[in-house]
Amino acid sequence: ETGVTQSPTHLIKTRGQQVTLRCSSQSGHNTVSWYQQALGQGPQFIFQYYREEENGRGNFPPRFSGLQFPNYSSELNVNALELDDSALYLCASSLSSGGSGELFFGEGSRLTVL
Amino acid sequence: AQSVTQLGSHVSVSEGALVLLRCNYSSSVPPYLFWYVQYPNQGLQLLLKYTTGATLVKGINGFEAEFKKSETSFHLTKPSAHMSDAAEYFCAVSDPRLNGNKLVFGAGTILRVKS
Repeated sequence: ETGVTQSPTHLIKTRGQQVTLRCSSQSGHNTVSWYQQALGQGPQFIFQYYREEENGRGNFPPRFSGLQFPNYSSELNVNALELDDSALYLCASSLSSGGSGELFFGEGSRLTVL
Repeated sequence: AQSVTQLGSHVSVSEGALVLLRCNYSSSVPPYLFWYVQYPNQGLQLLLKYTTGATLVKGINGFEAEFKKSETSFHLTKPSAHMSDAAEYFCAVSDPRLNGNKLVFGAGTILRVKS
């Protein structure tokens, strides 16, 4: 059984650029959630994808968007990057969309915006 | 809206001593409650969760937590700290009526274990 894998692990962008982060869910999991963890803070929910549709969104602007593919893997896209977007982006997979919160997290993608 | 407050951003204990990490939550409905642990350069791992039923919940690595509705608390304890427990711990809450996977996390508590 493979766990949640994310790529890239680290990346540096400049303000105004766009970034795509990728996530492969744990085997058998059909739901993917994305979280942003700024330095010194707890993770914040960005959105969740289930059956290739967005299924719940946190308080993030539309320039944060995502995709889920038929194999349940997912992408997080951020347009027009701002300095405050610098953070660790965590992907988590789970067995169902309305589950009991047992999420399996990847190690994250650390984004630095200069 | 739900929220979580973790008292103490840093907690230091000696090896073998009791570990107590405090968590208070705010929720208008009976919540689901969680503790996750994050080791350096790793993702979060679920320690334990409370959904319904018994209010004392046992998790991995000897940790347990008790849901106290009257105090809106879900403190994490371990009788005897081990060096390998050094990590950052996050308390989280979710609303089971909406999306149990949408977790609201506290700011975290870094646990240091002294030899």
